[in-house]
Order: sequence, then C-alpha cells, then structure tokens
Amino acid sequence: SQQGEEDPQALSIQEGENATMNCSYKTSINNLQWYRQNSGRGLVHLILIRSNEREKHSGRLRVTLDTSKKSSSLLITASRAADTASYFCATVLTYKYIFGTGTRLKVLA
Amino acid sequence: KAGVTQTPRYLIKTRGQQVTLSCSPISGHRSVSWYQQTPGQGLQFLFEYFSETQRNKGNFPGRFSGRQFSNSRSEMNVSTLELGDSALYLCASSLGLGSGVSYEQYFGPGTRLTVT
Repeated sequence: SQQGEEDPQALSIQEGENATMNCSYKTSINNLQWYRQNSGRGLVHLILIRSNEREKHSGRLRVTLDTSKKSSSLLITASRAADTASYFCATVLTYKYIFGTGTRLKVLA
Repeated sequence: KAGVTQTPRYLIKTRGQQVTLSCSPISGHRSVSWYQQTPGQGLQFLFEYFSETQRNKGNFPGRFSGRQFSNSRSEMNVSTLELGDSALYLCASSLGLGSGVSYEQYFGPGTRLTVT
C-alpha cells in the first residue's frame, strides 16, 4: 500500500498536556502536509513543511520532518478540548495526495 | 472567498441505483480531487482533475467516474450502487499539484452516501 502510517492510532490526554503524533511515508517528497478532521467532517489543512525544512511552527503546532527516515511528527502544545479530532499527514505522488491512516486524538477536559 | 461546496450533503440510495455528486471548488483553483472515506479503509483517493483532464485515478472499479467542467466544477458518478459504497465522499480543491509542486488542499464538508 502507498498509504502512510500514523502512530499512535489513538491518543487520549488531559487538557493542557502536549500531544505528539508521528507519520511515516514511503516516497520521496516535495512537502508534507498535516490535516485535521473533526467528527467525520471535512478535513482542514493545518501546516505544510517543505522537504528542505526540518522544523516549522504555527501557533501551538510544531512539525518536524526527517527525510532520511521518511518520517514527520506533529506536536500540539497545551492541548484544548477543541483539539479533539483525527489528524492525518499527506504526501503527493503523481497527481494524487496520499493520506496516512490518521491518529485519533481525544483531549479530556 | 467562498469555500469548497458539495451537494447534496446527505443521500440515501438503494442498491443498483446510480448517484451523481457535485463539487464547486474555490474560485481560481483548477485542481479538484475526490476521496472516499470509510471507517475501515480510511481516506482513499478516487481521482484528480486539472483543467478538465483526469490526471490520476485510484484503485476503484469502473463504476466510479468523474468529470470536470470548464469552470472547474466537478462531478463524480457511481453507477450500480453496492452496499459497500456507503461512505463519506470528500472533494478537495487546490491551486494545483504536479512535478515538484503541491499546494495545500481545501476540503468540502462531504456528501454522506448511504446505500440500502
């Protein structure tokens, strides 16, 4: 399968804690993107990191990329109940985005 | 800018029927992709269109087809519906993707298709 893998598959944390999820992919990339999906609804783009970048920040999000290991991680700091969602990484292969299997994050108030 | 819109939002069909789903991309976006999302298979790529041309197709049977119009609006069609086609169908638009270039995708809310 060309699909990327995220781990863990599910994560449950308390509000205020940090959440880290990892993504592994299989092909060479130009960039890697992270998306969030709430309750089976449409996905929302969170952040894009280019292959020549190692780390990128956006608000409470921090993304790292290791192209030698074909892996990326998403860190959400000081989590809130509203961060409860599924998180997916995505890469591009020949005119199609390949999404990972997703990490289901639950933030408990 | 208006976001990606999909119609209808919910649909109930019976086996053997056909269905057409519609997607209006963000103005200026020429790439439209379609995905099927199910609990068991996750997010599966169906096809991608750019300037009315299908550039890639996922591993789905020929019952799944699509097209894109000159205004970038896109439709997908599923003929001879099966129970397993019940899913959330998502459409996404972007400025484009190609060799060495890929932009973020903007997703519509999806069409929830139930086949009985």
